[in-house]
Amino acid sequence: NAGVTQTPKFQVLKTGQSMTLQCAQDMNHNSMYWYRQDPGMGLRLIYYSASEGTTDKGEVPNGYNVSRLNKREFSLRLESAAPSQTSVYFCASTLNQRGYTFGSGTRLTVV
Amino acid sequence: GIQVEQSPPDLILQEGANSTLRCNFSDSVNNLQWFHQNPWGQLINLFYIPSGTKQNGRLSATTVATERYSLLYISSSQTTDSGVYFCAVMRRDDKIIFGKGTRLHILP
Repeated sequence: NAGVTQTPKFQVLKTGQSMTLQCAQDMNHNSMYWYRQDPGMGLRLIYYSASEGTTDKGEVPNGYNVSRLNKREFSLRLESAAPSQTSVYFCASTLNQRGYTFGSGTRLTVV
Repeated sequence: GIQVEQSPPDLILQEGANSTLRCNFSDSVNNLQWFHQNPWGQLINLFYIPSGTKQNGRLSATTVATERYSLLYISSSQTTDSGVYFCAVMRRDDKIIFGKGTRLHILP
């Protein structure tokens, strides 16, 4: 089915470990986004990519890096995980900013 | 930066009731959207509505851009309407900012 695919769905990390969250879309969308969702905080933008080859910081970029590998894929990397990064992470994409498709989320716990 | 405030934060209704959710924003925007997050965490785009009124079945939305607010109406609520409703606006730098949401509980 067409849409946004995120992997993994669940992950537990120890403090200081690194990992990469993967996101891929097959709708030929130009823009892709990474959000984190914490209880009572809504969704906060971490990084976004308006087009292939470009990335920009969102509201809460510290502790994260991103790569727009090609038009389909946008990955989020945690170099040294901290307990404050325990959250649910969502990837989203859009063609023209008028309708967004979200992935099913990655639930990350850092202990 | 632009602020997005949603009200009420929580709403509990009986099945069949109508509801109005509000989104206020602090600056002019050229993009406003409503999303529904179901109890399983899935986020669905409901409306792209920078101005005017749109309807989709039992849901409708109105944005009055000059007064910086948007309303989401849900009529004849069903239990499947439960979840969190988010308003999101696009800033001038093309970043999408979400409100904190309204959590809706529809009781059978």
